[in-house]
Amino acid sequence: EPEVTQTPSHQVTQMGQEVILRCVPISNHLYFYWYRQILGQKVEFLVSFYNNEISEKSEIFDDQFSVERPDGSNFTLKIRSTKLEDSAMYFCASRGDSFWVFGSGTQLSVL
Amino acid sequence: QKEVEQDPGPLSVPEGAIVSLNCTYSNSAFQYFMWYRQYSRKGPELLMYTYSSGNKEDGRFTAQVDKSSKYISLFIRDSQPSDSATYLCARGANFGNEKLTFGTGTRLTIIP
Repeated sequence: EPEVTQTPSHQVTQMGQEVILRCVPISNHLYFYWYRQILGQKVEFLVSFYNNEISEKSEIFDDQFSVERPDGSNFTLKIRSTKLEDSAMYFCASRGDSFWVFGSGTQLSVL
Repeated sequence: QKEVEQDPGPLSVPEGAIVSLNCTYSNSAFQYFMWYRQYSRKGPELLMYTYSSGNKEDGRFTAQVDKSSKYISLFIRDSQPSDSATYLCARGANFGNEKLTFGTGTRLTIIP
């Protein structure tokens, strides 16, 4: 069964450093998303991406965040200058003509 | 008003019991209602979806939507320890690049 792949599974970084989280969506899907889940809290929408541009973003997705689909297969989330409160599980999701499929997530720890 | 509201639990029931998980939603514009299951430190996994009011059954699981009262339910029959997880209700519109919106999730433990 096709799946969404995320790397790395764990990322530890120092506050102020840049991180890039990577995702390989399902190959024939057209819509891509990033969500995050702070420990013990709900899964929150960050951004949706279609046709090489952002479709919608939440209030969380400020200027420190950016997304890119550099090569037609990878979908990345960049956090320019990480803060302690960015520590969370980040999930990538993709969607074709059916339902949203999620990856296993990247656990980001900002120290 | 939150778009999807869900009792966070936690909920503990003995093995074999029937489990009832519930959500309410506020916006009638959405067409799909889904239940995702999330094991600890893993991504949400689609369990069931419904498109319209009524029941949908899949093995031990039944999803129910009452659009008149904006109420979504998931029933688990003959619950097993492997059903222990967090259950997330979600709503989304099946057009274009609409996002999925989750409830807070209900943490369920099935006691052997």
